[in-house]
Amino acid sequence: QVQLVQSGAEVKKPGSSVKVSCKASGGTFSSYTISWVRQAPGQGLEWMGRIIPILGIANYAQKFQGRVTITADKSTSTAYMELSSLRSEDTAVYYCARGGTMMENWFDPWGQGTLVTVSS
Amino acid sequence: QSALTQPASVSGSPGQSITISCTGTSSDVGGYNYVSWYQQHPGKAPKLMIYDVSNRPSGVSNRFSGSKSGNTASLTISGLQAEDEADYYCSSYTSSSVWVFGGGTKLTVL
Repeated sequence: QVQLVQSGAEVKKPGSSVKVSCKASGGTFSSYTISWVRQAPGQGLEWMGRIIPILGIANYAQKFQGRVTITADKSTSTAYMELSSLRSEDTAVYYCARGGTMMENWFDPWGQGTLVTVSS
Repeated sequence: QSALTQPASVSGSPGQSITISCTGTSSDVGGYNYVSWYQQHPGKAPKLMIYDVSNRPSGVSNRFSGSKSGNTASLTISGLQAEDEADYYCSSYTSSSVWVFGGGTKLTVL
């Protein structure tokens, strides 16, 4: 049974960067894909991108291209999502979830979420 | 990639059935049987309810079912219960090799 545990809440200044971690336990980390999904306050879900740890390949939604970097450390079974040039509109809960390939095109399970607040 | 279209809200009485629609295009919903549905209670992470259009993960009640016709997928909940009150989101793989979610539907159990 895969479980995903994310890092704690962050408060950042506009223009800065944030890096959120997602540590996996159970299963074989390298064998599955981790996606990142965000949810602004009172809004819907938005897929940001994914990484396939065994290949070290990441793909991103066009909206976030150039501003987001998703990485994975197989030695610690941890995925990371770094978002740069933060603005107020990036205030959201950021979730990691297993999934995001054509063979596993759903998202399950999800991490508990990390609230990132961007405020001056 | 535009978000999939869901009704903002639906409601039903306990014991009734409701259906939530999720409309996309031939580049996402209509092009692949890769539609999934998620339930989200306030302050909680989403939970997978349906995958590959109509498959239920282990542990999900058989009151939840999914289907698809053309560019529109649907989630049906039968025998509504108070605990079903939540937000529901659909998701689809797309021809751009990315995933897209619907805007979400708030289900109210009257």
